[in-house]
Amino acid sequence: DSGVTQTPKHLITATGQRVTLRCSPRSGDLSVYWYQQSLDQGLQFLIQYYNGEERAKGNILERFSAQQFPDLHSELNLSSLELGDSALYFCASSTGSADTQYFGPGTRLTVL
Amino acid sequence: GESVGLHLPTLSVQEGDNSIINCAYSNSASDYFIWYKQESGKGPQFIIDIRSNMDKRQGQRVTVLLNKTVKHLSLQIAATQPGDSAVYFCAEIANQAGTALIFGKGTTLSVSS
Repeated sequence: DSGVTQTPKHLITATGQRVTLRCSPRSGDLSVYWYQQSLDQGLQFLIQYYNGEERAKGNILERFSAQQFPDLHSELNLSSLELGDSALYFCASSTGSADTQYFGPGTRLTVL
Repeated sequence: GESVGLHLPTLSVQEGDNSIINCAYSNSASDYFIWYKQESGKGPQFIIDIRSNMDKRQGQRVTVLLNKTVKHLSLQIAATQPGDSAVYFCAEIANQAGTALIFGKGTTLSVSS
């Protein structure tokens, strides 16, 4: 158990819908990262927040957004969902901005 | 561009053998490398890391070797056990990319008893 929690574990929704994925980092960690894992693209970095502010952006679609709240938990919002958005979404956290990242168990999103 | 890749997509070994999983990276500016293990249905689990100022680091039953000359990283697992069966990813952090991990495609290790 890494100490990073993610909810929900599974999410099934329809195309065009909007969902919110939630992540709680390890106690004391200030950085939260979001990654997408699909069969064809592997693990891809989406976005990082550090102490409430966006720190780095990767291959995140404009339909996707994220935020980190004062209690340091983070949410990833996915809107106008498409079939191709079906994937595992992982959250990771680290103490600072360049430390070892520890991953949560992931949320499996299925878009029908 | 920068990329992290693995030499073999699958590796099959017998229980008790030593396993070696290889990874090649292309960005000479990368200064931090991590190996993760991912079991089916779970998130990547940290195994061991190494910074570019080192060429070897040992953990419990695992050793990571870094060869910066040929941009090669390897993970050695001693006395491989069935519980080691998983997908192994190497990841790098390159200065230009900030703090995002760049993952290779993974090697599936299968251990038979």
